[in-house]
Parts: sequence; structure tokens; C-alpha cells
Amino acid sequence: DTEVTQTPKHLVMGMTNKKSLKCEQHMGHRAMYWYKQKAKKPPELMFVYSYEKLSINESVPSRFSPECPNSSLLNLHLHALQPEDSALYLCASSQENWNNYGYTFGSGTRLTVV
Amino acid sequence: ILNVEQSPQSLHVQEGDSTNFTCSFPSSNFYALHWYRWETAKSPEALFVMTLNGDEKKKGRISATLNTKEGYSYLYIKGSQPEDSATYLCAFLYNQGGKLIFGQGTELSVKP
Repeated sequence: DTEVTQTPKHLVMGMTNKKSLKCEQHMGHRAMYWYKQKAKKPPELMFVYSYEKLSINESVPSRFSPECPNSSLLNLHLHALQPEDSALYLCASSQENWNNYGYTFGSGTRLTVV
Repeated sequence: ILNVEQSPQSLHVQEGDSTNFTCSFPSSNFYALHWYRWETAKSPEALFVMTLNGDEKKKGRISATLNTKEGYSYLYIKGSQPEDSATYLCAFLYNQGGKLIFGQGTELSVKP
């Protein structure tokens, strides 16, 4: 299995809702990432997990809460989002030797906050 | 502020044309430079990971070069085909903690 699977593919949520994005990989990668991409902009790093521990938080608002329950799964819990949080959320994974290997990306969750 | 710049932002070529894009990045704290190909409605796909100054990598009709001292990389596509139409992203690996910073991409359209 050489894929990163993200669910759901599309999500519409209200500003008072709580929802979660899920990401799964079975390649034995020990680093996992959340990126956010707005239209016509580059993907922006949100969080990095290394060996199931949060290693980088790019000053992301607390309404986004990441969780890595095991080495194959990465979640992003969403609560009290704003319309400007509408974006494509990409998950990625990689070998922990970051110099030599590219990241494997999922196809993303398209989030709309209404 | 880490800045990764790509040019041009978009490119329209005819089938058979050869083309190239530029990525510029900070020349300090360099660990690696990645190139990705992103087709609409699909996942970004890694093309190359380059780490050494002077590196040249090739995959079929696509090749890339790296100059870490001056902070730029070129991606070349020889004999473009319609299936090469995609957004090409470069990304700068800032440190060994996995902080990969993307440029805004070059959107390539190849007309038959």
C-alpha cells in the first residue's frame, strides 16, 4: 500500500459544529503532516508529527486540534471554525529521514465552513 | 520569513515544446529541495528530492538541477505532452524536523 487516504473528501460544516478529518497510511512512515491550501496559494504547513509526537505547530489557532492515535493514523479535530477556514486540507506522510525522500500526499478534504 | 518563489506562475505551450521553470529559495539552512507534480483532483506526486549543490536528476522527459549556493533550482520538460499538464510545485526543506515550505507553483498547460 503506497497511498495516503483522507476522509471525507468533502465536508460542509457550520461555525458551531465539531467535526474531524481523518488520514491513514500503511507505509510505515513515522512522520505525518497537515497542510492547508487556499485557492491559488501554496500549501501551508500546519502541524508535523514525528513518532506520534507533535513536533511542529505553525502557530495554528486552537480551533484546529491535531491527534495522532498511532503510527498509521492522523486526525484533525475542528471546532468553532470561521468561514475563512474554508480550504483544502492535505495530509502527508514521509520517512523520518527527511533529506532523501519525498512526501506522500493524500488527495485532500475540501472543507467549506458556512 | 522563509520565501520560496516560482516563475512563471503559468505557462501555455504546444505539444512537443520544451519548457523550464524556476524555483528560488533561501540559500541558508538548506536541507533539501523537493519538486512535486499536482494534477487537478489528484494528490501531489513527488518528482525529485535534491540535496547536493550541483545535483542533476532525471525521470523520463523531466529533469531538474540544483544550485544551493545561489538558491535556485530549474525543472525542465523536454517535448511536452498534454499529459504533462499540471501544477509543478517546488518545496524547500528548512530543517530536519520536516518543515517543508512550498512555492506557489507553476501551472503548465500543454495543448495538443
